[in-house]
Amino acid sequence: GAGVSQTPSNKVTEKGKYVELRCDPISGHTALYWYRQSLGQGPEFLIYFQGTGAADDSGLPNDRFFAVRPEGSVSTLKIQRTERGDSAVYLCASSLGEGLTTDTQYFGPGTRLTVL
Amino acid sequence: KQEVTQIPAALSVPEGENLVLNCSFTDSAIYNLQWFRQDPGKGLTSLLLIQSSQREQTSGRLNASLDKSSGRSTLYIAASQPGDSATYLCAVDNTDKLIFGTGTRLQVFP
Repeated sequence: GAGVSQTPSNKVTEKGKYVELRCDPISGHTALYWYRQSLGQGPEFLIYFQGTGAADDSGLPNDRFFAVRPEGSVSTLKIQRTERGDSAVYLCASSLGEGLTTDTQYFGPGTRLTVL
Repeated sequence: KQEVTQIPAALSVPEGENLVLNCSFTDSAIYNLQWFRQDPGKGLTSLLLIQSSQREQTSGRLNASLDKSSGRSTLYIAASQPGDSATYLCAVDNTDKLIFGTGTRLQVFP
């Protein structure tokens, strides 16, 4: 595909359940980012991958959140023991990852997570 | 810690007006600054990217300026149209991650 894709587009779960959110970056992009956007707010950084490794996970709110990118392409954001406060839109972005000041991040449509 | 602020939070104007959206940031050590558009229920679309060494970028009716020393950027929209209605987000990149403002919600009415 031409752009970043995310699945599912919507996810409704119950408090305490485990969820996985998937991101397919643009082909050839080595950098991948996860952000979380609450209603009326700008996106907040969660984690950044360069290749297969997490280069910066300083935005993960607690140890219930975990993300992987085992083959350097698709990434999965995993949330354990979901809480109502986890409800938000989870956005994924990718970029060439060349470390240039022109490196634009391209965003997917997001996954809207609702925890009941 | 980098903080990004956008003013105004919301703006409603008649079609045809020229607009200025403001963005300020607290740490001038940035790689670049980007302006994004977000339509309701959608992801973000990059509009303009200004490198730290640049002063402005233009794309069609959009012009973005950057004054790193004062920590400010403006997005100028010329001859606004109803199709410009969306939320506009400013983001700075200073450590390989984007720090966003809360956005300006723009409505252009016919």
